[in-house]
Amino acid sequence: ILNVEQSPQSLHVQEGDSTNFTCSFPSSNFYALHWYRWETAKSPEALFVMTLNGDEKKKGRISATLNTKEGYSYLYIKGSQPEDSATYLCAYTYGGATNKLIFGTGTLLAVQP
Amino acid sequence: SQTIHQWPATLVQPVGSPLSLECTVEGTSNPNLYWYRQAAGRGLQLLFYSVGIGQISSEVPQNLSASRPQDRQFILSSKKLLLSDSGFYLCAFGRSGKNIQYFGAGTRLSVL
Repeated sequence: ILNVEQSPQSLHVQEGDSTNFTCSFPSSNFYALHWYRWETAKSPEALFVMTLNGDEKKKGRISATLNTKEGYSYLYIKGSQPEDSATYLCAYTYGGATNKLIFGTGTLLAVQP
Repeated sequence: SQTIHQWPATLVQPVGSPLSLECTVEGTSNPNLYWYRQAAGRGLQLLFYSVGIGQISSEVPQNLSASRPQDRQFILSSKKLLLSDSGFYLCAFGRSGKNIQYFGAGTRLSVL
């Protein structure tokens, strides 16, 4: 069974705090790792796609790293703002089924002003 | 630009009634199309995907079916809804390769 685990399930931080979440996935036959942000009442929005071990991606205050050998990715948010409040989903794609994303259950982030 | 439309936004249906949710994509041709469901307390689960007209792959056994009558149209159906079909349904499209997927706004289905 291909399982994508995310932790923590939820996180409450104060505005200005930096935070990070973890996504773990099967390391065998890895193809790509995706991060999405899903705000309430909106569609999930792609943040990053990473394919290579050691990849680091950055978009503004948000960055992500990838370790394909041990099967984990971290998402970091520097100086959290209330508008960062959302569910952060990671999804994994494996070779032989590159058309399919297998999602974790997400980390719900609430940033208090 | 590429856009995806999904309707209705919310739906309340009695047990045993039929279901039809429609999803259409604009601004791209021959996309991969997907139906996901998020049940209460669970992650996004892939239900069906399609790489072309009439080509449907089912990921989990269930009470639902999907069809792709046109290149940019994807329909999720059921002949008789069950209580367990309640959830939030998302349609998405993507391209082969890195397969970034773009999601619709979703349909919240409540089966009573």
